[in-house]
Amino acid sequence: AQSVTQLGSHVSVSEGALVLLRCNYSSSVPPYLFWYVQYPNQGLQLLLKYTTGATLVKGINGFEAEFKKSETSFHLTKPSAHMSDAAEYFCAVSGIYQAGTALIFGKGTTLSVSS
Amino acid sequence: EAEVAQSPRYKITEKSQAVAFWCDPISGHATLYWYRQILGQGPELLVQFQDESVVDDSQLPKDRFSAERLKGVDSTLKIQPAELGDSAMYLCASSLERGSYRGYTFGSGTRLTVV
Repeated sequence: AQSVTQLGSHVSVSEGALVLLRCNYSSSVPPYLFWYVQYPNQGLQLLLKYTTGATLVKGINGFEAEFKKSETSFHLTKPSAHMSDAAEYFCAVSGIYQAGTALIFGKGTTLSVSS
Repeated sequence: EAEVAQSPRYKITEKSQAVAFWCDPISGHATLYWYRQILGQGPELLVQFQDESVVDDSQLPKDRFSAERLKGVDSTLKIQPAELGDSAMYLCASSLERGSYRGYTFGSGTRLTVV
């Protein structure tokens, strides 16, 4: 069984500050891990993903995440927040060997950016 | 950039009425997913298709929900009768193949309000 826990339903930062959104996963098999962003009344847009290989992955809009197997974590970071980063962020997991297994999402973290 | 098309974008219906949503995945994508996203929560899988076959509908409330993908291309999700608790965003996503390492492409969703 797989699950995702996003720590903190709401994160507030100032423009230019570091963004850190936390995600911990549970998986009985090596996972694929994803971060998606959702703007109001929109679908989900893929920010980045970890499948295999390098554990530090870079995504769009300056975001990156690091897969830490020992900590079962996949936290999302961005060095300097922009106002346009305000949105809902979802961490998701799927099983690498479970063909057909759909993405399982966390409950999401709302990022607010103040000027 | 290829997109997943969904319609309508917004739908208001009275409880006990029937409602249907349509999804057209990216051309060539064999796998199609319907997710339901209640306000303030992460998306939850309702049904997954591989071509025209249902792979997973374990979370689909089959007494009132039905889904089909007759020719393995576009798909329709139906609710009959609608209940107040069905108010949510219904998201369609597609992927090239089973297994999620590429991530999914999501449509913009259909926002359903049941009154």
